[in-house]
Amino acid sequence: NAGVMQNPRHLVRRRGQEARLRCSPVKGHSHVYWYRQLPEEGLKFMVYLQKENIIDESGMPKERFSAEFPKEGPSILRIQQVVRGDSAAYFCASSQHWESPLHFGNGTRLTVT
Amino acid sequence: AQSVTQLDSQVPVFEEAPVELRCNYSSSVSVYLFWYVQYPNQGLQLLLKYLSGSTLVKSINGFEAEFNKSQTSFHLRKPSVHISDTAEYFCAVIGLGQGAQKLVFGQGTRLTINP
Repeated sequence: NAGVMQNPRHLVRRRGQEARLRCSPVKGHSHVYWYRQLPEEGLKFMVYLQKENIIDESGMPKERFSAEFPKEGPSILRIQQVVRGDSAAYFCASSQHWESPLHFGNGTRLTVT
Repeated sequence: AQSVTQLDSQVPVFEEAPVELRCNYSSSVSVYLFWYVQYPNQGLQLLLKYLSGSTLVKSINGFEAEFNKSQTSFHLRKPSVHISDTAEYFCAVIGLGQGAQKLVFGQGTRLTINP
């Protein structure tokens, strides 16, 4: 019974490059959530997706950030033209229903140099 | 909207000593409350939750938390900690009937156990 799988675990990008973070939810879960954790801070909600649909992106920056959860394959969080302030741990969580408990992945730690 | 305040960013304690991690919340509606634990380089794991019923909830590894509505608190306690409890602990709150994306996390408390 695999949990939420995120890859890569660590990602280093230079300023201006693109970062692509992948998340495979728990098998059977159709709800995916992305969170960002800055140093010394709690998790901040970014975006909530169901298969092929963005349900709530109120926590995601309007520029450079995008997310998708295609019918087949993992959910992708894409950050274009990364800046140093994007350095953070990005966590994905999944649930079976919108009211169900969240299962978290181990995160992707993005470092922008 | 809800908010969560964890009053201590770091709590160092000796092994086998008791510990309390404080959490206060604010909300204009009834809430569900959670404690999550994050071990080094891992994701968050649900430790315990209060949904309804008994205000004292317990985890399988000896932690407990008490929902106090009048004081809007949900402090986490353990009577005797172990080295393996070293982790970061996050309190979280969500309003009744809200979807999981509305879960609001506190800033976290780093619990360090010294031998």
